[in-house]
Amino acid sequence: GENVEQHPSTLSVQEGDSAVIKCTYSDSASNYFPWYKQELGKRPQLIIDIRSNVGEKKDQRIAVTLNKTAKHFSLHITETQPEDSAVYFCAGTSGGYQKVTFGTGTKLQVIP
Amino acid sequence: NAGVTQTPKFQVLKTGQSMTLQCAQDMNHEYMSWYRQDPGMGLRLIHYSVGAGITDQGEVPNGYNVSRSTTEDFPLRLLSAAPSQTSVYFCASTGQGDGYTFGSGTRLTVV
Repeated sequence: GENVEQHPSTLSVQEGDSAVIKCTYSDSASNYFPWYKQELGKRPQLIIDIRSNVGEKKDQRIAVTLNKTAKHFSLHITETQPEDSAVYFCAGTSGGYQKVTFGTGTKLQVIP
Repeated sequence: NAGVTQTPKFQVLKTGQSMTLQCAQDMNHEYMSWYRQDPGMGLRLIHYSVGAGITDQGEVPNGYNVSRSTTEDFPLRLLSAAPSQTSVYFCASTGQGDGYTFGSGTRLTVV
């Protein structure tokens, strides 16, 4: 099955700085990589995703990059704001889109 | 369109009791899953289903049963609750090729 590792486990940045979270995966057949944001006491919510036929995807201040050869993908948040403070999870898939394996999460703190 | 609805939101059980966590979605999604979330361990897959009548085990299936009699519903049964099952449980669903939509979660405490 898929194994997803995520780093760092915690990340503190000053407001306005950039934040980068990195993940690696083990299953070379994985082809879909979503990122989720979970605010305290709430459910995870999809914020961006990337498929294996794309190297980079952007959505306003958020971008995700994928390196299939190295089997790693990253989340980039630019111009961070206090409301970006949350736990972020990366995920990979195996056996189709339905079996999703999550990383252990990164707690991001944006300091005003 | 309610999305994914989970009940109850909170539950306290005594060791050895059984119960069912309910999950329903109204998006006609084929794929549904149950995850448990423990501090520092992320989201771990318990069971999943690729359609009505089809279920399979995830990473941590012991002590849990599931069934999928309809597309909409995917209940999770705790057979004999143990303190190690104290956790937050999330149900999630997806159509083919999309990210998951999560329910609001059930916070379960086993004493």
